[in-house]
Amino acid sequence: DVKVTQSSRYLVKRTGEKVFLECVQDMDHENMFWYRQDPGLGLRLIYFSYDVKMKEKGDIPEGYSVSREKKERFSLILESASTNQTSMYLCASSLWPPLWGPVCTDTQYFGPGTRLTVL
Amino acid sequence: AQSVTQPDIHITVSEGASLELRCNYSYGATPYLFWYVQSPGQGLQLLLKYFSGDTLVQGIKGFEAEFKRSQSSFNLRKPSVHWSDAAEYFCAVGGRTSYGKLTFGQGTILTVHP
Repeated sequence: DVKVTQSSRYLVKRTGEKVFLECVQDMDHENMFWYRQDPGLGLRLIYFSYDVKMKEKGDIPEGYSVSREKKERFSLILESASTNQTSMYLCASSLWPPLWGPVCTDTQYFGPGTRLTVL
Repeated sequence: AQSVTQPDIHITVSEGASLELRCNYSYGATPYLFWYVQSPGQGLQLLLKYFSGDTLVQGIKGFEAEFKRSQSSFNLRKPSVHWSDAAEYFCAVGGRTSYGKLTFGQGTILTVHP
């Protein structure tokens, strides 16, 4: 079974602090994703990475950055936390099917989430 | 741009009743469609997915979904709901032009009455 773990289930930080959220997957997946989940808005993509040291902005990257130094680990960084970043953060990983194959999107496997509160 | 709409924010059903959760998508090419479930305090778990072939897809926990291209829909169904099905359900779309990314709907919260 694919396992995606996140470093904390609950986190409380103060405004202006630098916050690191860590995600590790054990299935050698190329793709990794960071989402935030807010009631009524579903999941919104913050950043994703399709290889080590490669990253692309998602739909809501403002106020966030990411780091992927190793294939299995994808970190989300809040450079200066603000109260509007209070949310549930979900990490996911997936395979990267070849473009010439029948499928170019595969199942994403999710971690349990980190509920971040910024005071 | 791709998008997913789940018209029902909250649905309440009685245990043993049938269930249908609606999902409409917008995608410029052949879509790949997914349904995920999120139990309270948990991450998302895949229920089923459609890539190609038979438009009626069977998933885990007795769920099924039907892909209707003409209606841009991928509705989730279950003939008899159990109390343990109470959760939030998300529909998602991706495809060949998405490079691994998925776009999720807003979610539908399912409440099950005994």
